[in-house]
Amino acid sequence: AQSVSQHNHHVILSEAASLELGCNYSYGGTVNLFWYVQYPGQHLQLLLKYFSGDPLVKGIKGFEAEFIKSKFSFNLRKPSVQWSDTAEYFCAVTRGSQGNLIFGKGTKLSVKP
Amino acid sequence: DVKVTQSSRYLVKRTGEKVFLECVQDMDHENMFWYRQDPGLGLRLIYFSYDVKMKEKGDIPEGYSVSREKKERFSLILESASTNQTSMYLCASRPSGSFYEQYFGPGTRLTVT
Repeated sequence: AQSVSQHNHHVILSEAASLELGCNYSYGGTVNLFWYVQYPGQHLQLLLKYFSGDPLVKGIKGFEAEFIKSKFSFNLRKPSVQWSDTAEYFCAVTRGSQGNLIFGKGTKLSVKP
Repeated sequence: DVKVTQSSRYLVKRTGEKVFLECVQDMDHENMFWYRQDPGLGLRLIYFSYDVKMKEKGDIPEGYSVSREKKERFSLILESASTNQTSMYLCASRPSGSFYEQYFGPGTRLTVT
């Protein structure tokens, strides 16, 4: 069965530190990849997505992700985090012909001011 | 802007009660989804629907049912609530096509006592 793994459960960084959150998926076929973010008390919203083309995808708020097909990975990066980036981040991958999403278990990011 | 609304932000019910969670989207999306979100488990798909009166089981349908009588409305029903159904319930909608993102509602935090 398809699965999505997020390596870190909780990441704690100081402001201005660089961020990389890992995401690996198990499906070998064509995939669509997403990163969603959930700020405290808010609904899930899309950070960025990859369908095809340039494997380096830029999203909102300075986030980017790189799709590496050979590694089945779609890691999220940001060069310099801010306190306002404190949130939970979810990686998701489409599965099957219906294109439903499989979510990873999420990574909580805490940024210390 | 796409808007997905859920009938309640917080709900407290007793064991054995029948519970209705309502979701409405205003963008004429064909696809609608119900997830539950639990700490450390990410989002798990309960049911989804690709059209009016159509429904499909997700990964954890036991103890739940759904109804989609109108395109904009997707209801989740807990026939006899149990304490292990205490959770955050998220509704989402999406146009047809797996390359589209899902749009999420604010969630309903259900507590079953």
